[in-house]
Amino acid sequence: GENVEQHPSTLSVQEGDSAVIKCTYSDSASNYFPWYKQELGKGPQLIIDIRSNVGEKKDQRIAVTLNKTAKHFSLHITETQPEDSAVYFCAARPSGNTPLVFGKGTRLSVIA
Amino acid sequence: GAVVSQHPSWVICKSGTSVKIECRSLDFQATTMFWYRQFPKQSLMLMATSNEGSKATYEQGVEKDKFLINHASLTLSTLTVTSAHPEDSSFYICSARVAGAPYNEQFFGPGTRLTVL
Repeated sequence: GENVEQHPSTLSVQEGDSAVIKCTYSDSASNYFPWYKQELGKGPQLIIDIRSNVGEKKDQRIAVTLNKTAKHFSLHITETQPEDSAVYFCAARPSGNTPLVFGKGTRLSVIA
Repeated sequence: GAVVSQHPSWVICKSGTSVKIECRSLDFQATTMFWYRQFPKQSLMLMATSNEGSKATYEQGVEKDKFLINHASLTLSTLTVTSAHPEDSSFYICSARVAGAPYNEQFFGPGTRLTVL
């Protein structure tokens, strides 16, 4: 089955700097890659996603890139702010009506 | 749009009692809902997949007689933790898949923190 690896597990950046979180997946048939942000005591919130027919997607300060050949995708946050501090999860969906497979998460701390 | 609610947001119960958690999709229909469990500082662990009108599919190692799931309508799924014990204390999160969406986007509820004394 699908396996998703996420790195790093923790990340600290200075306010205003960029943050990059990387994920790899194993199933070449996976076609949907969402990213979720989870704040303490809350459920995950979908912040951006990318389909397998797209290489890059951007939404304001957040961007995601996908390299299907290498089977990895990354989340880029620019001009980080303290409110970006949270745990971020990547996920991949194998083809068909199957559940998302999640990475282990990255705890991002933005230091003011 | 795509809002998922959960009720209650937290619950404390005594050992041996049962607890029901509701998950609702507020502004869309969800033919499929998922239930996850999350331990502190860990990732989400899928417990079961629930399809409207049919029996839930449980992940390996999840006791279906302990975690009863009912998905009676396109907007409501319930998880009942039966005969709860302290080791069942956890953060339970439901997720709903948007019916008919091209890539079946999945949205999460705010979670329910269960504490069993």
